[in-house]
Amino acid sequence: AQRVTQPEKLLSVFKGAPVELKCNYSYSGSPELFWYVQYSRQRLQLLLRHISRESIKGFTADLNKGETSFHLKKPFAQEEDSAMYYCALRDTGFQKLVFGTGTRLLVSP
Amino acid sequence: EAGVTQFPSHSVIEKGQTVTLRCDPISGHDNLYWYRRVMGKEIKFLLHFVKESKQDESGMPNNRFLAERTGGTYSTLKVQPAELEDSGVYFCASSQSSGRGYEQYFGPGTRLTVT
Repeated sequence: AQRVTQPEKLLSVFKGAPVELKCNYSYSGSPELFWYVQYSRQRLQLLLRHISRESIKGFTADLNKGETSFHLKKPFAQEEDSAMYYCALRDTGFQKLVFGTGTRLLVSP
Repeated sequence: EAGVTQFPSHSVIEKGQTVTLRCDPISGHDNLYWYRRVMGKEIKFLLHFVKESKQDESGMPNNRFLAERTGGTYSTLKVQPAELEDSGVYFCASSQSSGRGYEQYFGPGTRLTVT
């Protein structure tokens, strides 16, 4: 069965510190992984996807199939990064997204 | 271009009552998805429409939930009768295609509280 695990409910860092939000998955096929973000009072939006291999707002995430991980990283956190972050896996058979429980990132000045 | 819209934004009903949630996808998006987040838990898939057809309804919790998408445009999700455990945030998302690489765009959600 597909499963996405985000072990941290809350990650609190100071501005300028490095950030790593952990995501591990279990999936039998070839996964498509995403990071979604929900800022306060805004809707859930796509941050980045592994197939694009891009950096958005300074965030990057590398798919590690050996460790079944897709950790989200940013070298220097900003206060505006404070939000709820969800790791998600797309079921390529049925197209639905399978989400983790989310990690709240709090960046303090 | 307007994004995915959902109505109402909040709904408070008593156990046993009926509630209907509505989702208007982005114009031209054939794929429409319903998800929900129950307090403290992950966002879970409910079902997927392609135009007016149910492509995958494996996430529907029980027969108290009925989703429709007549005409392949907006969709409704009816809960009848509502139970306490149905409380949560119901999200709708739409995408142009269901293929690899196509983004699902989410609506703001409807917060349902069953008392």
